[in-house]
Amino acid sequence: GEDVEQSLFLSVREGDSSVINCTYTDSSSTYLYWYKQEPGAGLQLLTYIFSNMDMKQDQRLTVLLNKKDKHLSLRIADTQTGDSAIYFCAETAAINFGNEKLTFGTGTRLTIIP
Amino acid sequence: GAVVSQHPSWVICKSGTSVKIECRSLDFQATTMFWYRQFPKQSLMLMATSNEGSKATYEQGVEKDKFLINHASLTLSTLTVTSAHPEDSSFYICSARDGAGFEWETQYFGPGTRLLVL
Repeated sequence: GEDVEQSLFLSVREGDSSVINCTYTDSSSTYLYWYKQEPGAGLQLLTYIFSNMDMKQDQRLTVLLNKKDKHLSLRIADTQTGDSAIYFCAETAAINFGNEKLTFGTGTRLTIIP
Repeated sequence: GAVVSQHPSWVICKSGTSVKIECRSLDFQATTMFWYRQFPKQSLMLMATSNEGSKATYEQGVEKDKFLINHASLTLSTLTVTSAHPEDSSFYICSARDGAGFEWETQYFGPGTRLLVL
């Protein structure tokens, strides 16, 4: 089945950039997402990228997609303490219309060092 | 826009009782809703997919008689954990997809319900 891998932990100094990486195996992935989960809360959709794109920027967030290597990254510029959370990447494939499922990565816990 | 609510946000119950969790899409019609379970420090596990007006599709290993799902309207899905036991204690998260929206692929998540079975 599909597999999505992430590093479990990342520590970054406040003000630096954070780069969270994700690899996936499903070559038919259509949409790739980044979600943020704060302690005890649900998931907040941060951004997504369609598989025919290689970059998407949204304010402090930059998503890079290398479809050949099946590698997705999320860069957070000027990381702040409020960015501390677990970040999940997820992918879905539009193989069967109306029956797509999200496959989540293991999540990366981002810790901000003051 | 695209807000999904869950109720209750947390619940404690005795072993053997049933617990119902509601998931509502507040500002869109959710043709499809998903129920996930998240164990501590782990990723989300999809339990079932429910489409309005039809039976839910359960993932392998999920007991449909244990976890009853009802998607009676385009804005409400419920998950009932029947005869709950301590091993059912978990964080349950629902998501909803706006089938009529431009970003129909995107799932919007509820805030989650923490269930503790004593």
